[in-house]
Amino acid sequence: AQKITQTQPGMFVQEKEAVTLDCTYDTSDQSYGLFWYKQPSSGEMIFLIYQGSYDEQNATEGRYSLNFQKARKSANLVISASQLGDSAMYFCAMSETGNQFYFGTGTSLTVIP
Amino acid sequence: EAQVTQNPRYLITVTGKKLTVTCSQNMNHEYMSWYRQDPGLGLRQIYYSMNVEVTDKGDVPEGYKVSRKEKRNFPLILESPSPNQTSLYFCASSPLGGVGNQPQHFGDGTRLSIL
Repeated sequence: AQKITQTQPGMFVQEKEAVTLDCTYDTSDQSYGLFWYKQPSSGEMIFLIYQGSYDEQNATEGRYSLNFQKARKSANLVISASQLGDSAMYFCAMSETGNQFYFGTGTSLTVIP
Repeated sequence: EAQVTQNPRYLITVTGKKLTVTCSQNMNHEYMSWYRQDPGLGLRQIYYSMNVEVTDKGDVPEGYKVSRKEKRNFPLILESPSPNQTSLYFCASSPLGGVGNQPQHFGDGTRLSIL
C-alpha cells in the first residue's frame, strides 16, 4: 500500500484565490511527522511546513497551513492568496519512527493571472 | 552558508561503468539520505544514514551502495549502472532522523543518464 497518496496530478488556481492540495497517508505508528515541500521548475526542494502526529493544532507558516485530520489520515496543504510564484510541484511526505521518509507523487500547481 | 553539495550536477555515462555521486553537508547533521525522482513516481528513498557507519535501506536500494565514513559525506555508488537508473538524484540531510520537526535540506540534484 502507498504510504503517501496525492490524488491530484495537476491543479489550477486563480491568482489571489486559496487552493487546497490533498494528501492522505498510511501508517500504523502512533508517532509520525508530515511535511510539505515545494519544487519550482528550477528543481530545488523547498521545505514549507511540518505537522507532528501529536500536535493538536494545525500548523501554519505564513500563507501555508496544514489541515490535519488524524482520524481520516489526511494532511492537506492550504495556500491562501495564491501568487504567480506559487506555481510549482508540491510534495507531501511522512517520517515514521523507523527513520524512513516517504514522499507522494506530487501535485503540479499552476497559478493563473 | 548552510548547504548540501552534490557532484556532479549532470552526468551521461554508459552501462556498467562504475560511478560515484558525492554528497557533502556543512551543518553537522546526523541524518543523511539519498532519493531518486522519476516522473509520476515522486521521490523514493534509496538509502539513509543515522550516523557514521550506520546505513539502512530505503524503498529502492537495489543497484546502489552507500557509505558513511565521515559525518559530513554520504556518497552514492553505482557499481554497474543500468539504463533503469537514469533519474534525478537528490541528497538530503537533517539534524536528526525519525519523527520530529526535522525538515531535510536538499542538494541541488544530480541528473544521471545511463546509455
